[in-house]
Amino acid sequence: QVQLQESGPGLVKPSETLSLTCSVSGGSISNYYWSWIRQPPGKGLEWIGYIYYSGTTNYNPSLKSRVTISVDTSKNQFSLKLSSVTAADTAIYYCARFDYDEIRRVAAFDIWGQGTMVTVSS
Amino acid sequence: SSELTQDPAVSVALGQTVRITCQGDSLRSYYASWYQQKPGQAPLLVFYGENNRPSGIPDRFSGSSSGNTASLTITGAQAEDEAEYYCNSRDSSGNHPHVVFGGGTKLTVL
Repeated sequence: QVQLQESGPGLVKPSETLSLTCSVSGGSISNYYWSWIRQPPGKGLEWIGYIYYSGTTNYNPSLKSRVTISVDTSKNQFSLKLSSVTAADTAIYYCARFDYDEIRRVAAFDIWGQGTMVTVSS
Repeated sequence: SSELTQDPAVSVALGQTVRITCQGDSLRSYYASWYQQKPGQAPLLVFYGENNRPSGIPDRFSGSSSGNTASLTITGAQAEDEAEYYCNSRDSSGNHPHVVFGGGTKLTVL
């Protein structure tokens, strides 16, 4: 049973960089896509970006200039960095496994972490 | 980029059938995926693709698609189905496979 666990600081100062890690247990990170999604308090879901285990990435155009997603296959982890944060970046951040297949025409997040709340405040 | 539109709120009587819809141009090319989110919990995938229900999801959850509209149907809604439901799909615009989410539908079971 694959499980995901987010970790990182719960409080980040404005203008600084938010850094989170997602640890994958119960299965290999290889041969899958992995993604970050966030949810501001009381609001809907926003896709941040995804990474293939080989390192190929794709980001939400609205966040692309500030986002970096990386993968460490030796640790079975992938990470998120979001720079120059403001209060608008306050949200629950989820990591998820991404079932993406152009032939099947599917783009589904089939396994989610529990989420971690990140507050941007001085 | 494409957008997905959902009704903000829907209600259903206990044991009755309810359909939650998701509209967007990307749904003409890609299937929707559906998530159930209860307060304080992470979203849970309940239906995706042409006809896929993840292991452990009750068969009262089903999905369909026609034109630019995808639907999640709950046949015989239970009290525990009360939740927020989100759809998502691959954004069909451009060459880069972005992802879009609908705004969510709050389902109330009466």
